[in-house]
Amino acid sequence: EAGVAQSPRYKIIEKRQSVAFWCNPISGHATLYWYQQILGQGPKLLIQFQNNGVVDDSQLPKDRFSAERLKGVDSTLKIQPAKLEDSAVYLCASSLNGDRGIVQFFGPGTRLTVL
Amino acid sequence: AQRVTQPEKLLSVFKGAPVELKCNYSYSGSPELFWYVQYSRQRLQLLLRHISRESIKGFTADLNKGETSFHLKKPFAQEEDSAMYYCALGWGNQFYFGTGTSLTVIP
Repeated sequence: EAGVAQSPRYKIIEKRQSVAFWCNPISGHATLYWYQQILGQGPKLLIQFQNNGVVDDSQLPKDRFSAERLKGVDSTLKIQPAKLEDSAVYLCASSLNGDRGIVQFFGPGTRLTVL
Repeated sequence: AQRVTQPEKLLSVFKGAPVELKCNYSYSGSPELFWYVQYSRQRLQLLLRHISRESIKGFTADLNKGETSFHLKKPFAQEEDSAMYYCALGWGNQFYFGTGTSLTVIP
C-alpha cells in the first residue's frame, strides 16, 4: 500500500512570507496529524483531524498557522506570515482512527527554512 | 511540562553488546507508550508499542508503572540497529514524543 505522501520536500522562504504544505494520507485512514519537529527535538503535535473535523489543535499557533482537511482526505498546513523560529521539519501522519494506542504512519516530511 | 524524557541524546555500543535506551514519562493514569525509530534517510516508523507486548527485531520494552519508565532493550546489538529512537506517549487526543536517542552500533 502507498504510504503517506507530502509535498514539497524542501522549502526555503524569507520571514514574513507565506508557505503551504500538502499531505495525502494512507487510503482509508480517518485520522490525520501534523507535527512540527525542530532540530534536536522530538516531533510536536500541532493538530489532529478525524475525517474533516478538528479533534485537537491546542498546540497550533493560531495567529499564524492554519490547517484544513476539507474533504476528509488530503490536508494542507499553512503558515502566514512565517517567522525564523518556524524553521523545522513538518511531518504528516495518518492512522486508521484516533485511538491513543493506534499506530501512526508518517510521511517523509517537509523541511522548511525561514531566512 | 516535560511528559516524555529520554536522558541520553547519544548512545554508542559495540556490536553484540546489550543495549538499553531509557525512557521516563510523567503522567498519571494509564497512557499508551510507544517506541518509534528513524533509520538514516527513512521516515519515522513504529518499532513497538506497549499494548502489543511484542518483540520486534529483537527489541523489547517493559512498562514499569512504579518507576514510570518504558526502557527499550536488546540483548545483542546489530549494526543495522543504528538509528534515531523516539519514545512516545499517547493520552486522550494528545501525543507526546521525547527528544530522541541516537544509537550507534560500532562494528
